[in-house]
Amino acid sequence: NAGVTQTPKFRILKIGQSMTLQCTQDMNHNYMYWYRQDPGMGLKLIYYSVGAGITDKGEVPNGYNVSRSTTEDFPLRLELAAPSQTSVYFCASSYPPGRGARNQPQHFGDGTRLSIL
Amino acid sequence: AQTVTQSQPEMSVQEAETVTLSCTYDTSESDYYLFWYKQPPSRQMILVIRQEAYKQQNATENRFSVNFQKAAKSFSLKISDSQLGDAAMYFCAYFDPDYGGATNKLIFGTGTLLAVQP
Repeated sequence: NAGVTQTPKFRILKIGQSMTLQCTQDMNHNYMYWYRQDPGMGLKLIYYSVGAGITDKGEVPNGYNVSRSTTEDFPLRLELAAPSQTSVYFCASSYPPGRGARNQPQHFGDGTRLSIL
Repeated sequence: AQTVTQSQPEMSVQEAETVTLSCTYDTSESDYYLFWYKQPPSRQMILVIRQEAYKQQNATENRFSVNFQKAAKSFSLKISDSQLGDAAMYFCAYFDPDYGGATNKLIFGTGTLLAVQP
């Protein structure tokens, strides 16, 4: 069981370039999330999705776009990379919220370290 | 808006000793979840322990336990018999399930870096 898989693990971009961070999960989770973690800080939510075809903004969505065409995949797109987007990006997935043992809210991928120069 | 505060940027503990990491949060909700996540140098986010606000009993997972004080909005993590592998950044997180809604998200504190001395 692979869990949440993120690719690539590292990437360096030039200012103005675009790229897509890939995230896929094999746990049949409806909910998926993208976070960014800046140095010395906790994670901040960029976008999330409660199911295929449904996405919504989190706390820091500017400069990013997402899509959710399947339950498994939730790619994050940077259209015009800026130095402020240098960060570590985490994808996570979960079952819908509810009480009980199934509600371990989020399984995380290993992160993508992105540097924009 | 909900907030999570970790006031200890760094902590240190001797191997085999006990250490307590502090976390406070602010919310007007009565039904929510609290978590401690561990992030070792590998950057993985590993769930350590979880607490449901409607449960009065403090959660325990082997050497990890919490002291959940709902009225005080406090959620501290106690690590007993500390091991070298416990060295990591620890994040406290709050989750408002918003049943039936679509605003479910984890709110993280800024983390506490725990060093374990041999």
